[in-house]
Amino acid sequence: NAGVTQTPKFQVLKTGQSMTLQCAQDMNHEYMSWYRQDPGMGLRLIHYSVGAGITDQGEVPNGYNVSRSTTEDFPLRLLSAAPSQTSVYFCASSYSSGQGQETQYFGPGTRLLVL
Amino acid sequence: SQKIEQNSEALNIQEGKTATLTCNYTNYSPAYLQWYRQDPGRGPVFLLLIRENEKEKRKERLKVTFDTTLKQSLFHITASQPADSATYLCALDDYNQGGKLIFGQGTELSVKP
Repeated sequence: NAGVTQTPKFQVLKTGQSMTLQCAQDMNHEYMSWYRQDPGMGLRLIHYSVGAGITDQGEVPNGYNVSRSTTEDFPLRLLSAAPSQTSVYFCASSYSSGQGQETQYFGPGTRLLVL
Repeated sequence: SQKIEQNSEALNIQEGKTATLTCNYTNYSPAYLQWYRQDPGRGPVFLLLIRENEKEKRKERLKVTFDTTLKQSLFHITASQPADSATYLCALDDYNQGGKLIFGQGTELSVKP
């Protein structure tokens, strides 16, 4: 199993450009999440999905869109990039138990720089 | 307000000693708490999960405790090695928000030979 894969590894954007960060998992997990990680801030949840066709907002959703058309894929779209979106982005997947998400499996991350 | 806090300062210890990291939370009622390890430039990797009805859990040189009265979890690495140097993150589930995981900001551990 490849686990959770993310592309690209690095990206530089200009302010106002749009792009899509790709995330895929091959573990048949129901839950998928997007986090951003900034120095001193820890991991903050952007959007998450509890299954195909179902998405919801996390702590910092503004400026980002997601969709979940298949169990495997969960792309994150930046609509109009801003310097404040410079960060490292992690995608994660997990199976669910009766109490919500269990162990999260993280991808390697995408480093994004917005100029 | 809701908070989850870890030691913000880096922890420096000597090889062979026990490292103890702290995770405190307020205004959450988690069903479980998790600990992850993160190396520079990599994604976090799961280490241990402890449920609210468990006081302690062990895995090899790792031990986690969970005190729901104190609202605190302690993470111990015994006989620490330089290879244990990394950032350690705690995370808890927010039952009131569908079980989403909330992460602390992490504590950087450095083990010197």
